[in-house]
Amino acid sequence: EVQLLESGGGLLQPGGSLRLSCAASGFTFSNFAMSWVRQAPGMGLEWVSAISSNSGSTYYPDSVKGRFTISRDNSKNTVYLQMNSLRVEDTAMYYCAKAPQRELRGTLFDYWGQGTLVTVSS
Amino acid sequence: QSALTQPASVSGSPGQSITISCTESSSDIGGHDYISWYQLHPGKAPKLIIYDVINRPSGISSRFSGSRSGNTASLTISGLQAEDEAEYYCSSYPTSTISVFGGGTKLTVL
Repeated sequence: EVQLLESGGGLLQPGGSLRLSCAASGFTFSNFAMSWVRQAPGMGLEWVSAISSNSGSTYYPDSVKGRFTISRDNSKNTVYLQMNSLRVEDTAMYYCAKAPQRELRGTLFDYWGQGTLVTVSS
Repeated sequence: QSALTQPASVSGSPGQSITISCTESSSDIGGHDYISWYQLHPGKAPKLIIYDVINRPSGISSRFSGSRSGNTASLTISGLQAEDEAEYYCSSYPTSTISVFGGGTKLTVL
């Protein structure tokens, strides 16, 4: 059974940093691209980062480019999201999501985690 | 990048069928087969229910079906059940990085 377990969320002040983790199990992690998707309170889904299976390709939208960094450790079956210079508008539930192939496949994700909540507030 | 427009809410009674539309702002949606639909229940992991416009992943009920007409994709849920009450999002993924979610639709089962 595919499982994605996010951790690392919390409450922090604007300008702070946080690293989210997503531990994967139930599939050959090193064969699939991974992403992070967020949902702000009362808002829709936003794709915020992606990384290919071998870390050769990454994606960030303009809203987080230069502040967020996605990485993965295939030996630990874990994908990370380093978030710096956090803003109030980064407050959201952050979901880890698995792509059905090695390379980035846009917003096609066949499995998701339950999410971890990040709250940025002064 | 195109935007995807969904109705904010739809509702239906148990046993009925409902359809949620997803309209792309440009004509691109009619030119590719890369539309997916996700179901979100509060506190649960989102679930892929339709991909490539019409395909259902293994384990997804046949009550869920996808279609497309021109630049509008649609998700139809037949035999509505209380457990179908959720948020539904479409997404378009024509390339590896040109990709977007719709605004989401809240389905209420009356």
